[in-house]
This record gives sequence, structure tokens and C-alpha cells, in this order.
Amino acid sequence: QSALTQPRSVSGSPGQSVTISCTRTSADLNNYNYVSWYQQHPGKAPKLFIYDVSQRPSGVPDRFSGSKSGNTASLTISGLQAEDEADYYCCSYAGSYTSVFGGGTQLTV
Amino acid sequence: QVQLVQSGAEVKKPGASVKVSCKASGYTFTNYAMYWVRQAPGQGLEWMGWINGDNGNTKYSQKFQDRVTITRDTSASTAYMELSSLRSEDTAVYYCAKVGTAMGCDYWGQGTLVTVSS
Repeated sequence: QSALTQPRSVSGSPGQSVTISCTRTSADLNNYNYVSWYQQHPGKAPKLFIYDVSQRPSGVPDRFSGSKSGNTASLTISGLQAEDEADYYCCSYAGSYTSVFGGGTQLTV
Repeated sequence: QVQLVQSGAEVKKPGASVKVSCKASGYTFTNYAMYWVRQAPGQGLEWMGWINGDNGNTKYSQKFQDRVTITRDTSASTAYMELSSLRSEDTAVYYCAKVGTAMGCDYWGQGTLVTVSS
């Protein structure tokens, strides 16, 4: 069981907003920092969409935003588009020079 | 442009070992770390470990601690992941990923399918 819990699936209509949560469930996950988010389409490699909790790499639309409050990090996608339909994964530094991924969330548009 | 090119698909028997390579280009290899991540069929991403491109220091997930070895060849700008004592549950796509700012993986290899079957 991952130390980061994500909802298995979320859905939204085109133009709407959705938020995907990523909750730290392990007390061993020290310093819940360096949270990143990845988008993955079927059969493709993951792509970085958010790093350092809320930073967007160049080329990522500003419809995507990240935040963190307490033990929960969130990815919000506004103005949903059909191309946003994919799996999304959070990832966090887990202490002792290790990292961990959340279980992934399937977004249906 | 940054590219990570991984070696081709492998089919192995249970108990064997596999070594996957990841050749980097377009950046200074020794300035960045490299993650290895795997994804079993229909499953999520799983962090396996990483290597410091400069000094070669490594850290592995406890799950793979006894079976995985990550190395690098700086002269070839290539990282390697070797997994031993393979079992059917190790059937997965294995990815390398360059670790950028704040530990975000900004570039990924295309993935290498490793199939473990008798």
C-alpha cells in the first residue's frame, strides 16, 4: 500500500474543474515536500506537469495548478479538455533519499 | 534536446537477471540524478531507486533493496538498472527518469518491457 493515497478515479465535463488529492498516509513520510505530479496516457511514458508542489514546467498549460495543505497535496485542472483524460500520479520525497508515488487517479472527461 | 533512450524489450525466465540501460543526451549527465521507476501491467508507477550522476551514490526502495543494482558509466552518459532473482511479478515496463528541480522527473525514457515467463 502506497504511503500516498489518491482517489482511484475522478470525472468531469469539458470546461469544468476537477481536483485530484494526494494524501500522506504514512507517518514515516517525513517532510512531505517536493511533491510532483505526472500525467500518463495509455502506452506512453509519464510526463511532468507539476513540481515543487505548485510549479509548472514550461509548456504545461496554466489550467493545471498544484497546492498543498497539511498532509494533502492537490492537482486542480480547470477548463477540462478531452485531451486531459489520462492517469495522474503524485510523487513525493519520502525521506532517507527515497521517493514514493501515489497509486494513481484515472481522470475521465 | 534532452533524450533518454532505453534498451529494448527483454524476456527472461524466473530466477534470471535483467539489465536495462538508459543512454542520456542533451545535458550534462553528471549534473543530475536518475530515477528508475516500474509499472506492472494495469498498475501504477513504483519507485525503485536512484543514482547520483556525479558520485554514483545510490538509494533503493526497501522493496527492491536485495535484488536491484543501479550503476552508471559517465563516459557513456548511461545509467543501468539490474534486477536479479526475477519472478513473474516483475513483469513490467521499466522507466528511467532524469531528476530535475525539486526532485521532479522532467524527462523520461521510452520504457523497457521486461517479461518474466517460464
